[in-house]
Amino acid sequence: KAGVTQTPRYLIKTRGQQVTLSCSPISGHRSVSWYQQTPGQGLQFLFEYFSETQRNKGNFPGRFSGRQFSNSRSEMNVSTLELGDSALYLCASSQSSGVLLNTEAFFGQGTRLTVV
Amino acid sequence: GQQVMQIPQYQHVQEGEDFTTYCNSSTTLSNIQWYKQRPGGHPVFLIQLVKSGEVKKQKRLTFQFGEAKKNSSLHITATQTTDVGTYFCANRGYALNFGKGTSLLVTP
Repeated sequence: KAGVTQTPRYLIKTRGQQVTLSCSPISGHRSVSWYQQTPGQGLQFLFEYFSETQRNKGNFPGRFSGRQFSNSRSEMNVSTLELGDSALYLCASSQSSGVLLNTEAFFGQGTRLTVV
Repeated sequence: GQQVMQIPQYQHVQEGEDFTTYCNSSTTLSNIQWYKQRPGGHPVFLIQLVKSGEVKKQKRLTFQFGEAKKNSSLHITATQTTDVGTYFCANRGYALNFGKGTSLLVTP
């Protein structure tokens, strides 16, 4: 069974540009979550999508957005990039969504974004 | 998920020594999950605890959930160089709320 696939693995962008990251979850998984990982802030939740609907959103500015397609693949977009957006962006897929089912998350390798 | 605090931030041990990382919350947790992230890698799920006082073992790793469900620990017996990485605890609500992690360095 293929794991979670994120593309691209590495990206260098200039301040002010925008970027789109892609995540293909494990086959059959309908929940996709995105996390930002930085040395200072650790792993922080961005948003979660389930069946093409954003279920939850973390405390990030509106420049961060995402969407999910009918095949569960998800994209994350960051507009007007800032230096502080440099981070490892991780996508995680789960079979289901919500606290009641206590589902483990399977993470992709991540996209390392560097903003210069 | 609820906020969780993790200590220590770093731990450097000699191979063969034991290692423990602690995860604490000011509120009762419905669950605790533990993940390991190798250097340059991504978090990998290790285990989930949901019951008060629960203890689970995976070979040299022992996971505990406190009686009050406000704390958890991960103990590694006789560390090996393959144990190197950062260990995160997380509380799962609609999202995973991660602790800051404990980075383990093992010297041969």
